[in-house]
Amino acid sequence: GAGVSQTPSNKVTEKGKYVELRCDPISGHTALYWYRQSLGQGPEFLIYFQGTGAADDSGLPNDRFFAVRPEGSVSTLKIQRTERGDSAVYLCASSLTRGGYNEQFFGPGTRLTVL
Amino acid sequence: SQQGEEDPQALSIQEGENATMNCSYKTSINNLQWYRQNSGRGLVHLILIRSNEREKHSGRLRVTLDTSKKSSSLLITASRAADTASYFCATLGSSNYKLTFGKGTLLTVNP
Repeated sequence: GAGVSQTPSNKVTEKGKYVELRCDPISGHTALYWYRQSLGQGPEFLIYFQGTGAADDSGLPNDRFFAVRPEGSVSTLKIQRTERGDSAVYLCASSLTRGGYNEQFFGPGTRLTVL
Repeated sequence: SQQGEEDPQALSIQEGENATMNCSYKTSINNLQWYRQNSGRGLVHLILIRSNEREKHSGRLRVTLDTSKKSSSLLITASRAADTASYFCATLGSSNYKLTFGKGTLLTVNP
């Protein structure tokens, strides 16, 4: 079956604008994760959904960042008033359920550039 | 914040040689996983080793884990040009869902 997909693959925006990044997880996966990867760094955890609810949003850097998953499938990461420091690759992952032995499958990422 | 540190940061070898990458981490873990990333995009899961395991093999990959030293190593044998990528270790802690990644090792395999 299809893997995790993310759209758009690239997004260029201007400082102060609002952006939405979309993630389509693998069908049937109840757990969904967002990570952010800055240049030369490893991915850093942002938020974890189990079903429709955000079970842990402790990685969101500030209140400009928000994510939803209204029907327990597709998720949208929303960034308000973008800043140049938000430029990074945003990675989405899904797993069958929560748990250490449930592999997290990653999407190809969205490269966000804030000018 | 980054949990682990990979060593070396970059490694360049000839095709057919073995590549060894090391990872150190700071807190107790549930398991440790290694990922490969090509061209700074999608991560591919390579292998998972549980905290009560010491060594695991998968094809040309061999992973060791020393929880007393909070370290792991990834060995790729008989490397190929297609192995050129960045390799990350990631630890899973008590949360049982949050992966904490290191900064990665950039491996270049020259044909």
